[in-house]
Amino acid sequence: GQQLNQSPQSMFIQEGEDVSMNCTSSSIFNTWLWYKQDPGEGPVLLIALYKAGELTSNGRLTAQFGITRKDSFLNISASIPSDVGIYFCAGLLYGNKLVFGAGTILRVKS
Amino acid sequence: SAVISQKPSRDICQRGTSLTIQCQVDSQVTMMFWYRQQPGQSLTLIATANQGSEATYESGFVIDKFPISRPNLTFSTLTVSNMSPEDSSIYLCSVERESSGANVLTFGAGSRLTVL
Repeated sequence: GQQLNQSPQSMFIQEGEDVSMNCTSSSIFNTWLWYKQDPGEGPVLLIALYKAGELTSNGRLTAQFGITRKDSFLNISASIPSDVGIYFCAGLLYGNKLVFGAGTILRVKS
Repeated sequence: SAVISQKPSRDICQRGTSLTIQCQVDSQVTMMFWYRQQPGQSLTLIATANQGSEATYESGFVIDKFPISRPNLTFSTLTVSNMSPEDSSIYLCSVERESSGANVLTFGAGSRLTVL
């Protein structure tokens, strides 16, 4: 089946540092999504990307849809303690079927 | 944006029993989706619940184990039948909502099941 390779698996960074994570796939996706999941909650959509090469920002978050449509990255600038959580990339296949990456666990040291 | 309520939020269940999870949406939606998130894992689609027809199951998931109901456009249930410890997971309901002219998935808070 379709698979997304998300890295890194986890990160432990200092408050104020920038963070970068990415997803790659052997398959082409038409849409890339980035979600964040806090403990005890469902994933919340951070950024949606619809076009190859698209670069989109949401506050301190920036994400890009790779030119080949097989990859995407998410950057978080000047991290703060509330950025902790699990970040998932997701690629949209045909119809409504989303394929999720394994997640990146972010821990921030104050 | 759609508000999704799931019940129960968590439960501890005995092996061999069944539990039904409810998902209520505050607006009518065509399709509702049920995902499973095993401990420390990502999300896997179980099935798509369509109103007025049988649910569509993904590979590896069967109706006998995960029966789904969709009686109207704002409600769905997922039953986890004859549970074993391997069924301990978070079960998430999701619906599509519009974002920048396209439809993206919005998730409920999930139902965390622990099977002893």
